Amino acid sequence: GQNIDQPTEMTATEGAIVQINCTYQTSGFNGLFWYQQHAGEAPTFLSYNVLDGLEEKGRFSSFLSRSKGYSYLLLKELQMKDSASYLCAFYFNKFYFGSGTKLNVKP
Amino acid sequence: GAVVSQHPSWVICKSGTSVKIECRSLDFQATTMFWYRQFPKQSLMLMATSNEGSKATYEQGVEKDKFLINHASLTLSTLTVTSAHPEDSSFYICSARPHGGLGGLSTNEKLFFGSGTQLSVL
Repeated sequence: GQNIDQPTEMTATEGAIVQINCTYQTSGFNGLFWYQQHAGEAPTFLSYNVLDGLEEKGRFSSFLSRSKGYSYLLLKELQMKDSASYLCAFYFNKFYFGSGTKLNVKP
Repeated sequence: GAVVSQHPSWVICKSGTSVKIECRSLDFQATTMFWYRQFPKQSLMLMATSNEGSKATYEQGVEKDKFLINHASLTLSTLTVTSAHPEDSSFYICSARPHGGLGGLSTNEKLFFGSGTQLSVL
């Protein structure tokens, strides 16, 4: 079966760096995705990894290690507007989403 | 960027009535559309996958006779919640995957989400 684990909630300070981890168990997948979702809104795409390594997109970076069944999303220079839920998902014929990590950014 | 339009944004209905939700891809063709349900503070739960011109594939535990999905064209999929009950109250989100890509994962595999529909059944 498919299983994705993320921490339920995290708190960080404005201007800091935060890493949100995602571990998974699956027989295989095509890509590992990260989405941001504000309360009551639809998710928006942030980043994805096909190959192992780090993908950097501005303040957001995502890392993947297939051998370790592990990914993380790195957010730099945190802003108050980054307070949201962050969903880890992998694609294997369809998308499987983790339960999401609620990030609280405090002043 | 790709845009997916979902209507209505919110709907309140009486128990026993049916509600239709539309999902349109505005600037691309979507061979496949997905319907998700999200309860408060929970993640997206895939309900069904709809493919243009064929029957939808439902996830285990989702009643296909209750949640009717129609994907009549490459730009439109609809979800009808039939005989809605209060326990069907939830946030329903559609997503679309652009047609294209010649195997393997490409940027076409990114999902684009509609804005969601908050359904409240009284």
